[in-house]
Amino acid sequence: EAAVTQSPRNKVAVTGGKVTLSCNQTNNHNNMYWYRQDTGHGLRLIHYSYGAGSTEKGDIPDGYKASRPSQENFSLILELATPSQTSVYFCASGDATLLFGEGTRLSVL
Amino acid sequence: QQKVQQSPESLSVPEGGMASLNCTSSDRNFQYFWWYRQHSGEGPKALMSIFSDGDKKEGRFTAHLNKASLHVSLHIRDSQPSDSALYFCAASELYGSSGNKLIFGIGTLLSVKP
Repeated sequence: EAAVTQSPRNKVAVTGGKVTLSCNQTNNHNNMYWYRQDTGHGLRLIHYSYGAGSTEKGDIPDGYKASRPSQENFSLILELATPSQTSVYFCASGDATLLFGEGTRLSVL
Repeated sequence: QQKVQQSPESLSVPEGGMASLNCTSSDRNFQYFWWYRQHSGEGPKALMSIFSDGDKKEGRFTAHLNKASLHVSLHIRDSQPSDSALYFCAASELYGSSGNKLIFGIGTLLSVKP
């Protein structure tokens, strides 16, 4: 069954710390995406990838890096986390219609 | 400015009633549109897509697209309490290719009252 799995599901981080959010898909999709969801802003695209080794900036990339080491895995990295990055993060995969994971709730204190 | 704008922000309908959600794009490059639904505590799930002018019906759900006005709507007839969710409109310039980016609106919160 097609699936996108995110880890961790919940994370509390300290300001200035490094945070890595992980995403795994078993759908053999070329495209993978990271979005954040905030009330009043909907889903905003942070980074995306065409395939292993590629990463592209989305609409709000500042403060975030991404890594796609394989077809299955796509990570979002916050090198120096800030309270403004407190949000719910969604990973998705798909070459047209997207399949989303269940989300990671991140709190930066 | 949001490239994909949705209205209303929230909507309440009685069980069995009709819910109508609207979406307008400000970017004429957008050719492909989707509706996604998100229940509380879950990730968004694709509800239906529409790429051609006119209506597309799937069960109780009907989407309508007017490319000339860049307007998409979703109509839910015989609304059920389980339809209560956040509904997103999403748009894309490309389909099924590398670099396909889906841009989402801020959502419409639908509440169906028993």
